[in-house]
Amino acid sequence: GAVVSQHPSWVICKSGTSVKIECRSLDFQATTMFWYRQFPKQSLMLMATSNEGSKATYEQGVEKDKFLINHASLTLSTLTVTSAHPEDSSFYICSARVGRATNTGELFFGEGSRLTVL
Amino acid sequence: GENVEQHPSTLSVQEGDSAVIKCTYSDSASNYFPWYKQELGKRPQLIIDIRSNVGEKKDQRIAVTLNKTAKHFSLHITETQPEDSAVYFCAASGRDDKIIFGKGTRLHILP
Repeated sequence: GAVVSQHPSWVICKSGTSVKIECRSLDFQATTMFWYRQFPKQSLMLMATSNEGSKATYEQGVEKDKFLINHASLTLSTLTVTSAHPEDSSFYICSARVGRATNTGELFFGEGSRLTVL
Repeated sequence: GENVEQHPSTLSVQEGDSAVIKCTYSDSASNYFPWYKQELGKRPQLIIDIRSNVGEKKDQRIAVTLNKTAKHFSLHITETQPEDSAVYFCAASGRDDKIIFGKGTRLHILP
């Protein structure tokens, strides 16, 4: 199957700082990537849809100025958590579908990034 | 938008018995229904999926059924084994290309 790589796998930062998480599709091009957040023992909550070459689409309740998404190439999307606070501590995981947007294709997940804000 | 409900939240079955997890969805336009297995601290892994032109799909000990009229789909695991213990998520994908997940089912296989 297709490979999605995410970096870093874990990060600890001080409150008020910004953290950038990278998501790469290694062996395919992804025009669309999805960012999810998962709190302990909870489900994967879709945060935003990242579109190559255009602005991301955010889900209701997700602050676009706090969670900056950039999808500058067909293999890389980044999520920057700005001015992080302890309540932003979570498991962030990206995913991508192979090829052009098609709503019946398998979603491949990155390894996830565990963010802890002190 | 799409809303996916999943039951039960926790399920314990004796090793060798069957496990069934049920999900419902709200958007009649959804046409792709994957199931993911997530082990502690790891990424979700696709175990089986079904598309709306199919009512049932089976892969060894795992099967999924879909009832589009009722808007529900189910995961069946037969002859459960200890390695089946994990959290299972159903999901639905519709017209807007998003995949929306259920809340998950924590499956415990008892020895």
